[in-house]
Amino acid sequence: AQTVTQSQPEMSVQEAETVTLSCTYDTSESDYYLFWYKQPPSRQMILVIRQEAYKQQNATENRFSVNFQKAAKSFSLKISDSQLGDAAMYFCAYRSVLYRDNYGQNFVFGPGTRLSVLP
Amino acid sequence: GAGVSQTPSNKVTEKGKYVELRCDPISGHTALYWYRQSLGQGPEFLIYFQGTGAADDSGLPNDRFFAVRPEGSVSTLKIQRTERGDSAVYLCASSLAGIEGADTQYFGPGTRLTVL
Repeated sequence: AQTVTQSQPEMSVQEAETVTLSCTYDTSESDYYLFWYKQPPSRQMILVIRQEAYKQQNATENRFSVNFQKAAKSFSLKISDSQLGDAAMYFCAYRSVLYRDNYGQNFVFGPGTRLSVLP
Repeated sequence: GAGVSQTPSNKVTEKGKYVELRCDPISGHTALYWYRQSLGQGPEFLIYFQGTGAADDSGLPNDRFFAVRPEGSVSTLKIQRTERGDSAVYLCASSLAGIEGADTQYFGPGTRLTVL
């Protein structure tokens, strides 16, 4: 089964600065998807960015970008020009490409990183 | 349009009682997922519906947990004989097509269940 690790339980960043959240995963598959989700205190999970493993180009969404290192099985999230509204829990998630009987093991979340943004 | 909604937002019950948690997905989304999120952890998969049928219920922890989606839209997660260990936030998500491909899941705000 796949596993996702986020080694930073908590991070903080000064407003307008840049912060990088780490994520590593373990899989034997060659093709898959990776996601970063944001969960503010309202509890609603919001998709921040996603990456297809077969694409070498790192995904970017406005101030959010990823550094995808497939060989190292690393998928970090960089937030530029941090804003107060970025404060939240951030979850890294892995998903297999192909459906198998055991879907539950094919979509896995990491434990999360709590990001604080300091004014 | 409206997002995924879940009711109630908070539920407090006593050990041994029965509870029902409701999820109303985005209109037209055929796939629906239930997750459980314990304090300080990431969501943990419980069950996945494609239309009316449970395509994968391998994440349900035991037979006290059951979920239905009779008309392929609203889903209800049912927990019998609740235990204190069932206390968690229960998240629901829906997506347009299902698990093939990078189908984006849209999450509801969750129901916080507290078992006293």
